[in-house]
Amino acid sequence: KAGVTQTPRYLIKTRGQQVTLSCSPISGHRSVSWYQQTPGQGLQFLFEYFSETQRNKGNFPGRFSGRQFSNSRSEMNVSTLELGDSALYLCASSEGQGEDYSNQPQHFGDGTRLSIL
Amino acid sequence: DAKTTQPTSMDCAEGRAANLPCNHSTISGNEYVYWYRQIHSQGPQYIIHGLKNNETNEMASLIITEDRKSSTLILPHATLRDTAVYYCIVRVSTIFFTGGGADGLTFGKGTHLIIQP
Repeated sequence: KAGVTQTPRYLIKTRGQQVTLSCSPISGHRSVSWYQQTPGQGLQFLFEYFSETQRNKGNFPGRFSGRQFSNSRSEMNVSTLELGDSALYLCASSEGQGEDYSNQPQHFGDGTRLSIL
Repeated sequence: DAKTTQPTSMDCAEGRAANLPCNHSTISGNEYVYWYRQIHSQGPQYIIHGLKNNETNEMASLIITEDRKSSTLILPHATLRDTAVYYCIVRVSTIFFTGGGADGLTFGKGTHLIIQP
């Protein structure tokens, strides 16, 4: 089975621009979560989508948004980029179904490294 | 979610068992213990998880104390490729999730495991 695929792997933007990152989950997985990893703050949860709906959300400003398509692929958008948004953005997928979906592990892609100049 | 405490770094000789401790003294009965690892420039890799019982898979064993206040991840025959940062995470069961919040994984700083040749 193919793993989680994230594109692009590297991206350079300037302040004020916006960016869209893409994630293709493992086949059959319906939940997609996004994380931000920086040297200072470590790995932080952004949000999770399941069946095209945002199911959980972390503590990030509204500039960070996402969506999920009917094939479970997901995109994340960051608007009005700031220098502090430079980070590795990770996507993780899981089956996500059932009442105790926390008992299903999330599987991560290798991320998109975003640099803001 | 409960917090975890892990040693900052550990060394282990190649071919020996690597035993990584994690303290989660404030864990509640409805929280899972998850272990992930992250090799430089890659996304986190799922290793194993459990609730109350010890667990074993092809990668590792997870030993959870009877009072659930601590756990140990065991890599039975460490190789150089096991050098990575290992994260111990507790995650509340979504059966008891009150919703409206963040059911993402909460990563701490982890243990940097170095396998020595």
